[in-house]
Amino acid sequence: SQKIEQNSEALNIQEGKTATLTCNYTNYSPAYLQWYRQDPGRGPVFLLLIRENEKEKRKERLKVTFDTTLKQSLFHITASQPADSATYLCALDMGGGGNKLTFGTGTQLKVEL
Amino acid sequence: DTAVSQTPKYLVTQMGNDKSIKCEQNLGHDTMYWYKQDSKKFLKIMFSYNNKELIINETVPNRFSPKSPDKAHLNLHINSLELGDSAVYFCASSQVDRASNYGYTFGSGTRLTVV
Repeated sequence: SQKIEQNSEALNIQEGKTATLTCNYTNYSPAYLQWYRQDPGRGPVFLLLIRENEKEKRKERLKVTFDTTLKQSLFHITASQPADSATYLCALDMGGGGNKLTFGTGTQLKVEL
Repeated sequence: DTAVSQTPKYLVTQMGNDKSIKCEQNLGHDTMYWYKQDSKKFLKIMFSYNNKELIINETVPNRFSPKSPDKAHLNLHINSLELGDSAVYFCASSQVDRASNYGYTFGSGTRLTVV
């Protein structure tokens, strides 16, 4: 069965450093992969999407890579700030039609001063 | 204006009761969803509706019955509540032909506690 795994442990980094989060998946070849941010008591918020034919995507301080051979996506936050502290979720569309987004386990990021 | 709004935000009820959660989106999206987030924060899809028609039902017990009166609303009714139903329930919406570009928009969640 399909698994989507993220760093299970929380990630603590110092302000100003680059945070790197990992998303690994098995038994599937998605057309695209999405990343979301979730703050406590809130719903997930869409951040970025990367397609299978794109190696890298950037948005401000965010960068996502997608390696379909390794079945892995990396999510980077450069010049991290305490306000970046949240849980980050990767997600794949398992239905193929955009109507069955399946989420990974999430990684909790804490950026310390 | 809240894009995806769900009510109530908190719901505490006794085992065996029946309860409903309402969801509305004002984004003009054609697809709506219910997700369940358990105590370990794992987010799992329950249902997907496209233009009021059920397209995904992820082996959810029959006690859960979604209803979509129109494409802007997707309500969730739960019969005979059990302790294991305690979780946060999220409603979401997307425009399927654009889901790949804009992602899903989620509501702020309903925390259901069954005692």
